[in-house]
Amino acid sequence: SQQGEEDPQALSIQEGENATMNCSYKTSINNLQWYRQNSGRGLVHLILIRSNEREKHSGRLRVTLDTSKKSSSLLITASRAADTASYFCATTNQAGTALIFGKGTTLSVSS
Amino acid sequence: ETGVTQTPRHLVMGMTNKKSLKCEQHLGHNAMYWYKQSAKKPLELMFVYSLEERVENNSVPSRFSPECPNSSHLFLHLHTLQPEDSALYLCASSQGTSLGDTQYFGPGTRLTVL
Repeated sequence: SQQGEEDPQALSIQEGENATMNCSYKTSINNLQWYRQNSGRGLVHLILIRSNEREKHSGRLRVTLDTSKKSSSLLITASRAADTASYFCATTNQAGTALIFGKGTTLSVSS
Repeated sequence: ETGVTQTPRHLVMGMTNKKSLKCEQHLGHNAMYWYKQSAKKPLELMFVYSLEERVENNSVPSRFSPECPNSSHLFLHLHTLQPEDSALYLCASSQGTSLGDTQYFGPGTRLTVL
């Protein structure tokens, strides 16, 4: 069953603007991961935030986690055309043996 | 490059054909995965192998048959597929399967079933 669900489904912005994507999940987690996928390619891991962390940074990426609301957000600052991709959040299944991905947010950054 | 390769990158097959997808990881990981990605659907986990043993099978039809001969190689054997099986098939690997280890994905095989 689907665990993470991203919002919005699609987002279009101009270069230089910030992009914020949200992820909600249903059950308790140990960690939450964000991945990126360029069109028709494999997914690339961006960042992992543990359940005892509230915020994490990596370059232009900022991830927050609110376990009380069962939600996470991914912020991309000063976006570039090369950021155009689909972004997925992922959490573990109940057995802890595999990741469950949401449907993703498709981000389009125009120059 | 993520260290995970998949061949072929594109495959077109008829419903009566038998073909195989291959995945190889050069990362020394112990777990490997097959996912199916169809348009407008979440990634669907198909199979999980840990140390060459299958640990997860998400009710996948028997026309998909995985094989993991060693920790570096994973195959997906296909036979008598249906047009709705057309999708991007992604392979991934991780150090282990516990607590959602970071997964490293291959570029995928775009499968079209006619």
